Amino acid sequence: AQSVTQPDIHITVSEGASLELRCNYSYGATPYLFWYVQSPGQGLQLLLKYFSGDTLVQGIKGFEAEFKRSQSSFNLRKPSVHWSDAAEYVCAVGAIDTGNQFYFGTGTSLTVIP
Amino acid sequence: GAVVSQHPSWVICKSGTSVKIECRSLDFQATTMFWYRQFPKQSLMLMATSNEGSKATYEQGVEKDKFLINHASLTLSTLTVTSAHPEDSSFYICSARTGTGGEETQYFGPGTRLLVL
Repeated sequence: AQSVTQPDIHITVSEGASLELRCNYSYGATPYLFWYVQSPGQGLQLLLKYFSGDTLVQGIKGFEAEFKRSQSSFNLRKPSVHWSDAAEYVCAVGAIDTGNQFYFGTGTSLTVIP
Repeated sequence: GAVVSQHPSWVICKSGTSVKIECRSLDFQATTMFWYRQFPKQSLMLMATSNEGSKATYEQGVEKDKFLINHASLTLSTLTVTSAHPEDSSFYICSARTGTGGEETQYFGPGTRLLVL
């Protein structure tokens, strides 16, 4: 069965520090991979997506993610975090063989300290 | 581009009343929209898949007679919570799917918070 795991429930980083949020998936075929950001009481905003090709994808707000097939991972990174990046980050997998149904991780809450 | 709106953003209602939530794709057409429910500190739970011009497909455990979905046009899907009860209080989020050639992406609305008294 398809599943998405975000091992870190909550992460705290200092402003200006680098960030890496982990996402692991379980899926038989090549998945479509997404990262979304959710601010309190808001919907999900798409940060970046991977369908095929270059395994390092660039997104909005200075974020990037790398697809590693051997590790079944799609970790999100940012070299220098800003206070405004504090939010909930959700990883999602689109499963081709089930009509592109999305499977979501439980999210990682990011706190940025000045 | 790819903006999805939801209305209302907040609704408080009495137990037993019905509530309609609208989901609109503002700058693209979406043959498929999705309705999710989210409880605090939990991930999104897919309730149903809404296809324009046809009946919605509900996930297991979701009562289709309680959560009525209508996808009347390529830019509008509505979710009606009928005879709402306090346990229906939640955060409801819709998404609209766009893209072709297998590279399809879901864009999400801002969500509707429902409180049933």
